[in-house]
Amino acid sequence: GENVEQHPSTLSVQEGDSAVIKCTYSDSASNYFPWYKQELGKGPQLIIDIRSNVGEKKDQRIAVTLNKTAKHFSLHITETQPEDSAVYFCAASPVNDYKLSFGAGTTVTVRA
Amino acid sequence: SAVISQKPSRDICQRGTSLTIQCQVDSQVTMMFWYRQQPGQSLTLIATANQGSEATYESGFVIDKFPISRPNLTFSTLTVSNMSPEDSSIYLCSVGTGADEKLFFGSGTQLSVL
Repeated sequence: GENVEQHPSTLSVQEGDSAVIKCTYSDSASNYFPWYKQELGKGPQLIIDIRSNVGEKKDQRIAVTLNKTAKHFSLHITETQPEDSAVYFCAASPVNDYKLSFGAGTTVTVRA
Repeated sequence: SAVISQKPSRDICQRGTSLTIQCQVDSQVTMMFWYRQQPGQSLTLIATANQGSEATYESGFVIDKFPISRPNLTFSTLTVSNMSPEDSSIYLCSVGTGADEKLFFGSGTQLSVL
């Protein structure tokens, strides 16, 4: 089955700086890569996703890049704000298969 | 995205008892799933809730321990049976609309077993 590794496990950044989280996956059949943000006491929220026919996708301060050859994808948050503090999970699945394999999560703390 | 309501939001239970968690979606959805998130851990898929038929369980999860119902396209229940402290986790309902691969999660049920 798919194995998704996520690094780092914790990340502390100064407000206004950028944060980068990296994930690698093992199954070459995976071609859907979502990112979730989970705040304390809440369920995971889908914040951005990318499919294998796209190398990069941006949504305001959030961007995701995908290198299918190297089997890794990354989340980039620019101009971080205190409300970006949360646990972020990457995931992977084959297309048309909802069975996501999740990374272990990254706890992001934005220091004011 | 669909609005997903889970009840209860949290509960504290005694070992040996059972708890049924409800998941209600505000629109008909193709796919419904149940995930477990153990303390400080990632998400693990328990099963796919199939409408009108038995749920499909992932390796390590069995129907006797986690019976699931899905009577229609907007509602599902997960029961955690004969609970032990090891069952203390967040249980999450998730749905896929079928239009694409996007998966959305409910707010979760925080379960503590004493």
